[in-house]
Amino acid sequence: NAGVTQTPKFRVLKTGQSMTLLCAQDMNHEYMYWYRQDPGMGLRLIHYSVGEGTTAKGEVPDGYNVSRLKKQNFLLGLESAAPSQTSVYFCASSYGQNIQYFGAGTRLSVL
Amino acid sequence: EDQVTQSPEALRLQEGESSSLNCSYTVSGLRGLFWYRQDPGKGPEFLFTLYSAGEEKEKERLKATLTKKESFLHITAPKPEDSATYLCAVQARGGGNKLTFGTGTQLKVEL
Repeated sequence: NAGVTQTPKFRVLKTGQSMTLLCAQDMNHEYMYWYRQDPGMGLRLIHYSVGEGTTAKGEVPDGYNVSRLKKQNFLLGLESAAPSQTSVYFCASSYGQNIQYFGAGTRLSVL
Repeated sequence: EDQVTQSPEALRLQEGESSSLNCSYTVSGLRGLFWYRQDPGKGPEFLFTLYSAGEEKEKERLKATLTKKESFLHITAPKPEDSATYLCAVQARGGGNKLTFGTGTQLKVEL
């Protein structure tokens, strides 16, 4: 019973490099989310999806893109990484507007 | 704009020493208030959802309560394994599925 799985767990990038974070859920949830967590700040929503093929902007979407080609997967892309994107990224999923279940996180450093 | 303030930022308790964590919120119509527990290096783990003032929920040594302006997480006779960061989040009515998180209370329970 995996729940929400994020890959990779850790990553170090150089400024300007690109990468994709993968989130997979096995709970058949319609809604999926990407958050970032920084010291002294609460979790902030980057983008979310209410179903396969749909995406929407959250609170801090600049510099990120997302795709939801399959119901169980939600990808977060950084096209040109910046040091300000150094953070811990969490994916979550939910059945409708209910409890959000989180993955273990991806720790990203941009040098 | 929805806001969540948690206090204290950090709390140290002796094993068996009961206490309460506070979550004050302002929201344009509360749909739900959520409590999560987050262990170091892991994702938030769901604890409780409260929907209306006066509601209470319990799980082992934890009890969550809700008023129109704040929520409390009461910890009775804590054990070292209760050490974690406790996060509070609110969901506004008509705000879709967006959660606004506080910055958390870091709890350490010592022997």
